[in-house]
Amino acid sequence: SQQGEEDPQALSIQEGENATMNCSYKTSINNLQWYRQNSGRGLVHLILIRSNEREKHSGRLRVTLDTSKKSSSLLITASRAADTASYFCATREKLTFGTGTRLTIIP
Amino acid sequence: EAGVAQSPRYKIIEKRQSVAFWCNPISGHATLYWYQQILGQGPKLLIQFQNNGVVDDSQLPKDRFSAERLKGVDSTLKIQPAKLEDSAVYLCASSWGLAGGITDTQYFGPGTRLTVL
Repeated sequence: SQQGEEDPQALSIQEGENATMNCSYKTSINNLQWYRQNSGRGLVHLILIRSNEREKHSGRLRVTLDTSKKSSSLLITASRAADTASYFCATREKLTFGTGTRLTIIP
Repeated sequence: EAGVAQSPRYKIIEKRQSVAFWCNPISGHATLYWYQQILGQGPKLLIQFQNNGVVDDSQLPKDRFSAERLKGVDSTLKIQPAKLEDSAVYLCASSWGLAGGITDTQYFGPGTRLTVL
C-alpha cells in the first residue's frame, strides 16, 4: 500500500539551527503533503507539493520533491521552540501517514 | 472560517461497551475522513466519504466499527463493542474533495481521545 515514511524518527536541535527531515514513498503520486502535529492536538497542514514541482517555499519552510527517488524533504530554517512537534508526510493516493519525525527544539 | 468540530474530546469506557463520536466538517467540504491514531504512531485512515458516499473503508474493522454521513455533512463513527486495543485518538478531517490539487488539503479537528478500560 502507498505510504509516506519519515526519517529520522526523532531529531533534537538547538534553537536557531535548521532542521531537515525526509519522507519516502512507494508509488507514483499526484502530490505530497507535509503536516505538523503538536502534542495532543490534531494535524495542521503545512505545505503541498505537486508531482511536477521540484521545490516549494512557505515562510521558513522549504520542501523538495524528487520523484525519481520517490522522496521528499522538509527543511525548517531558523528553528524556534514553537516548532517542537511531530511532522508527517502523506500522499493523496492512499492517505496513509508514516510514524512521523519527532522534532525537539532545545532553547 | 470555522474549523472541523469534534465531540466529545475525551471518552473513557469499559471494554465491550459502545461509543460514538461526532464530527462536523468545514462548511462546503465534500470529503470527510476518519482516522485512528494510536500513541506513537501516525494516523491510520479508517474511512473516507465523498458527500454521503463511501470512497474507501478498506481499513475499517467492520465487525465493530461503523460510520455514516447522512445528508453529506455531519458524520458519526461508532464502535460496538469496544476492545482494549481501540484506545486511541480518533481524528476527523475534511477537504474540498476535488482530485489532484490544492483541494486535497485536509483540515483536521482536535480529535477524540478514547480510553478503553
